[in-house]
Amino acid sequence: DVKVTQSSRYLVKRTGEKVFLECVQDMDHENMFWYRQDPGLGLRLIYFSYDVKMKEKGDIPEGYSVSREKKERFSLILESASTNQTSMYLCASSLSLNYEQYFGPGTRLTVT
Amino acid sequence: GQNIDQPTEMTATEGAIVQINCTYQTSGFNGLFWYQQHAGEAPTFLSYNVLDGLEEKGRFSSFLSRSKGYSYLLLKELQMKDSASYLCAVRDGNNRLAFGKGNQVVVIP
Repeated sequence: DVKVTQSSRYLVKRTGEKVFLECVQDMDHENMFWYRQDPGLGLRLIYFSYDVKMKEKGDIPEGYSVSREKKERFSLILESASTNQTSMYLCASSLSLNYEQYFGPGTRLTVT
Repeated sequence: GQNIDQPTEMTATEGAIVQINCTYQTSGFNGLFWYQQHAGEAPTFLSYNVLDGLEEKGRFSSFLSRSKGYSYLLLKELQMKDSASYLCAVRDGNNRLAFGKGNQVVVIP
């Protein structure tokens, strides 16, 4: 059974803190993605990775960085959290870019 | 850039049929996906269209017209558990996946 897990369901951080969101998939997928989802704006791609140590910017990379040291793990880093980064963060993976993406349960991050 | 349009909300009665439309304008086209997302949960894959025509999967069908930049998802024999947001996502010529804002379907008894 396909599984994408995220380290936390809910997270509360203070402005200026460094925040790490972890995502792990057990399907040996090449591609992994980080999105944020906001009411009225839908799902927006932050970064994606198509191989270990490879990454590409999505539509809204500002204020974020990523790390993929191992195939199964893709981390999203907020270097200095700000209130406008309060959002639902969703990780996904896919076998290849032509295949469907499988999503993790999401992390609801609140920055105060 | 990409532009993907979906109506924001619709209400339908249990047992009815509902059609959810999606129009898109993207730089190239490499396929269209439909996802279902229940409140507070992650999106789950429903269907994939890359060629024109209708794909049927049980109570759900998805249609694509590439020349019109148009797709729809058809839900038959609606059930209460079908109350969810339905997301249209288009893979463009650079293989980037862009999502629409989602269509909230509310099923009433």
